[in-house]
Amino acid sequence: QQPVQSPQAVILREGEDAVINCSSSKALYSVHWYRQKHGEAPVFLMILLKGGEQKGHDKISASFNEKKQQSSLYLTASQLSYSGTYFCGTSYTGNQFYFGTGTSLTVIP
Amino acid sequence: EPEVTQTPSHQVTQMGQEVILRCVPISNHLYFYWYRQILGQKVEFLVSFYNNEISEKSEIFDDQFSVERPDGSNFTLKIRSTKLEDSAMYFCASSEQGGQPQHFGDGTRLSIL
Repeated sequence: QQPVQSPQAVILREGEDAVINCSSSKALYSVHWYRQKHGEAPVFLMILLKGGEQKGHDKISASFNEKKQQSSLYLTASQLSYSGTYFCGTSYTGNQFYFGTGTSLTVIP
Repeated sequence: EPEVTQTPSHQVTQMGQEVILRCVPISNHLYFYWYRQILGQKVEFLVSFYNNEISEKSEIFDDQFSVERPDGSNFTLKIRSTKLEDSAMYFCASSEQGGQPQHFGDGTRLSIL
């Protein structure tokens, strides 16, 4: 039931864009996005609850498709501070929570 | 800003011993969670807790594990008869409601020797 993320890893130069995908074989109750820097706790970025929803802040946004089986995280004009591992987190019932496989993002000057 | 606090930050224990990891969730949050992250791997759900009882648990959360809310502020994870493979970072998290954003503590690094 664990959601699958792609790509596993990506390296960007500052200012470049990236898309991280999170897919599930069945509909999700919600999807969360978290970023974890090395040696630190995951930090919440955003949550999407409704099919077709899109939301974002600054240069990081996310979408949730109509069937609620796929979400994408968009990072535009990347900054060095965006480096870290990005996890989607999903729930099918609202309580048990599954983190995705993770995407390592490295931004280089 | 309110935060989740975990103690200790690092715990070293002999194999076979019992450990208790402690967490203080954000005060107005109703849902509490424990996660495990083995070095270099993804974050794994262990258990969620609501209204003084377990609401869901994963297959990892077997009889070796237990959780408790001994008073109005603490939330503990007990691991009995620890094994080498229990070595990991353990994160506590809390949320206002189920399915809502989770706020994570800084974690406890558990090392089993």
